[in-house]
Amino acid sequence: GNSVTQMEGPVTLSEEAFLTINCTYTATGYPSLFWYVQYPGEGLQLLLKATKADDKGSNKGFEATYRKETTSFHLEKGSVQVSDSAVYFCALGNTDKLIFGTGTRLQVFP
Amino acid sequence: SQTIHQWPATLVQPVGSPLSLECTVEGTSNPNLYWYRQAAGRGLQLLFYSVGIGQISSEVPQNLSASRPQDRQFILSSKKLLLSDSGFYLCAWSGGRGQDYGYTFGSGTRLTVV
Repeated sequence: GNSVTQMEGPVTLSEEAFLTINCTYTATGYPSLFWYVQYPGEGLQLLLKATKADDKGSNKGFEATYRKETTSFHLEKGSVQVSDSAVYFCALGNTDKLIFGTGTRLQVFP
Repeated sequence: SQTIHQWPATLVQPVGSPLSLECTVEGTSNPNLYWYRQAAGRGLQLLFYSVGIGQISSEVPQNLSASRPQDRQFILSSKKLLLSDSGFYLCAWSGGRGQDYGYTFGSGTRLTVV
């Protein structure tokens, strides 16, 4: 079946530190992969996506590369800001649904 | 442009009371519609999805039901709430291939059952 596994949080970083949030998936076929972000008290916003192997999605300084050989889609950012504090969800799209990971909370301190 | 509206934003209901949460989409036709629940400290659980008027698929057997009386309206209901129904409820929509382009989420309803 289809599933997404994310690293446990919270991830705690100082401002300007490098961020990696790991995401691996199990899927049949060739899913699209997504990262969503949820700021406190809000709904989810699409952060970036990739639709095929070796694609790199990027937005607001965040990047993730679709790695078919390792079934991974790790989220990275070179220098985090306090305003990046949020919960990040990895998701895969297959058939007509998105399947989400459990989310990883990121806390950035000044 | 397309927009999605959810209401109410917050709701406190006693155990055993009924529930009705509404979601509407503007600026598109025949969207796929979804209800998710996010329990405290947990991930997103898909509850229902709909690909057309009157067409509802249930992902998890539970105390809730969904209806789609109009093309761009999706309603989540319960006849009698349980304490375990507390959580953050999110409505989302997608075009024909949401699995490729992603979903757009509403701002959510925080439900507390007391």
